[in-house]
Amino acid sequence: GAGVSQSPRYKVAKRGQDVALRCDPISGHVSLFWYQQALGQGPEFLTYFQNEAQLDKSGLPSDRFFAERPEGSVSTLKIQRTQQEDSAVYLCASSLLGLGNTIYFGEGSWLTVV
Amino acid sequence: DAKTTQPNSMESNEEEPVHLPCNHSTISGTDYIHWYRQLPSQGPEYVIHGLTSNVNNRMASLAIAEDRKSSTLILHRATLRDAAVYYCILRGYTGKLIFGQGTTLQVKP
Repeated sequence: GAGVSQSPRYKVAKRGQDVALRCDPISGHVSLFWYQQALGQGPEFLTYFQNEAQLDKSGLPSDRFFAERPEGSVSTLKIQRTQQEDSAVYLCASSLLGLGNTIYFGEGSWLTVV
Repeated sequence: DAKTTQPNSMESNEEEPVHLPCNHSTISGTDYIHWYRQLPSQGPEYVIHGLTSNVNNRMASLAIAEDRKSSTLILHRATLRDAAVYYCILRGYTGKLIFGQGTTLQVKP
């Protein structure tokens, strides 16, 4: 498809497990963003990549959260030792470089920690 | 990143126009005004964006005040499928979108 693709769509993890969430951005999009959305809230910024460089990780809530984009295309958000408060939808978005360009979002990965 | 203020909720009747307001009094000269909407269980969907001039596309119109301290998203004929949370966001030099709580739009048949 032509849009941002995320997998898995749904993930149930036991507390303490590690999880990895994958994002395939739109081909050619230099900018890639990760957001976290708790139930009933607006999306919260986590981190931003320009190609393979992670230029902003100011929103990552703890050192258990780690994101990478080694070849400047696919990105993975990893959460180590998951806790119940990590339950949320994790949204990936991509865009061309430049503030006037549209940011396109994926459908999200729904994480439930039990 | 500058902040925006939106009403928590609005109601509209189907097939009538809807005007969704947004205040952004601390906007800087290089901030773009973006609107996104989010339907239940879906990711945010781009609606429209602008810098200074009014903008039109197939989904909506964006009216920007002359001093840029406020803007209005206009849906010309609301349908039931337009019921969603609408976010008004300023995109500044950092490049990221900072979401607020948005406006929940209800459309009545």
